[in-house]
Amino acid sequence: GAGVSQSPSNKVTEKGKDVELRCDPISGHTALYWYRQSLGQGLEFLIYFQGNSAPDKSGLPSDRFSAERTGGSVSTLTIQRTQQEDSAVYLCASTQGPGLAGSYATYEQYFGPGTRLTVT
Amino acid sequence: QKEVEQDPGPLSVPEGAIVSLNCTYSNSAFQYFMWYRQYSRKGPELLMYTYSSGNKEDGRFTAQVDKSSKYISLFIRDSQPSDSATYLCAMTVKAAGNKLTFGGGTRVLVKP
Repeated sequence: GAGVSQSPSNKVTEKGKDVELRCDPISGHTALYWYRQSLGQGLEFLIYFQGNSAPDKSGLPSDRFSAERTGGSVSTLTIQRTQQEDSAVYLCASTQGPGLAGSYATYEQYFGPGTRLTVT
Repeated sequence: QKEVEQDPGPLSVPEGAIVSLNCTYSNSAFQYFMWYRQYSRKGPELLMYTYSSGNKEDGRFTAQVDKSSKYISLFIRDSQPSDSATYLCAMTVKAAGNKLTFGGGTRVLVKP
């Protein structure tokens, strides 16, 4: 089946502009995550959606960052008034969501190819 | 200090050698440990996962977890040029709401 898709694959924007990044998770996956990966760095957690529960926004670096998930499927990450330090690859992942105790599949996050954001 | 530490490499080995990767962590609450592989300009993909301490083997890959030392390892036997990638360790505390905490990744280069 289709994997996680993200668009655009690349985005170049001027400092101060707003950008929207889109993620289409795997059909049927209830959990969706956004991560940020700066050059040569590991993945930094941003936000997590699980079904109809309130999202875990604990990783968002500032109030310029926001995300929504419509209809329990597609998600959009919005960065307002972009800064040069926002330049990174933004990765989206989905999983089937929490399952029974010991169900390892809940930790198998399927990642999209990412959106490479460059702020000039 | 980062919650999960991983040597960035690069780690260069000849084809057929054993690749040894490791991570250390500070949060004793971590119970689930994963290794992801990431090729250039691609998203990470899960290689292996383990729960608590112990070893797990899958083909050429062996994952080890030593919770007493807060140390995890991944071994790749009979390495191939196609194993050249960045390897990221990841860990999480609980089954539900499973936000992953990643190491910085180790770049591996297997030379033919």
